[in-house]
Amino acid sequence: GENVEQHPSTLSVQEGDSAVIKCTYSDSASNYFPWYKQELGKRPQLIIDIRSNVGEKKDQRIAVTLNKTAKHFSLHITETQPEDSAVYFCAAAVSGTYKYIFGTGTRLKVLA
Amino acid sequence: DAGVIQSPRHEVTEMGQEVTLRCKPISGHDYLFWYRQTMMRGLELLIYFNNNVPIDDSGMPEDRFSAKMPNASFSTLKIQPSEPRDSAVYFCASSRQGVETQYFGPGTRLLVL
Repeated sequence: GENVEQHPSTLSVQEGDSAVIKCTYSDSASNYFPWYKQELGKRPQLIIDIRSNVGEKKDQRIAVTLNKTAKHFSLHITETQPEDSAVYFCAAAVSGTYKYIFGTGTRLKVLA
Repeated sequence: DAGVIQSPRHEVTEMGQEVTLRCKPISGHDYLFWYRQTMMRGLELLIYFNNNVPIDDSGMPEDRFSAKMPNASFSTLKIQPSEPRDSAVYFCASSRQGVETQYFGPGTRLLVL
């Protein structure tokens, strides 16, 4: 079945440094890839998404890149701040449906 | 817009009891999703509805779990009888036809003793 792998599971960076989280997916027909941020005890919230007809998308300090050939996509956070500390989930929409397969999450810690 | 609404926010119950979780999707959203989140298994899709009709319930763990959506603004997830291994955070999410983005509710934290 469809699968999404996410790495690393934990990531610690110094404030101001960049953070990169990587995901690979198995369904070559997937066409939508959202990223969610979940703070402790809160709901997952969409931070950025990308569609398969686009290679890169940016929103201020956050960017996502997609390599359809290799079936992987990455989240890049620049100039990290303590409030970026959270668990980040990638997901891939299953082709022909509206459901997602989620990655296992990355716990990001930004050290002040 | 109030966003996705879930109730209760916290539920503590004893093994064997029936548990009912409730969700109100964002107005105008055609899709409703129920997820379960645990440390061990992450975010799992249990079931999703389109226009109140269950489309995919392959994630429902067993017959003790059931979900309904009697109208466009209300859905329930029921566990009967509940077991300690059902302890988790249950999220409801909704999305609109033609737009894949899912918006999550605040979740229900369930503890079965």
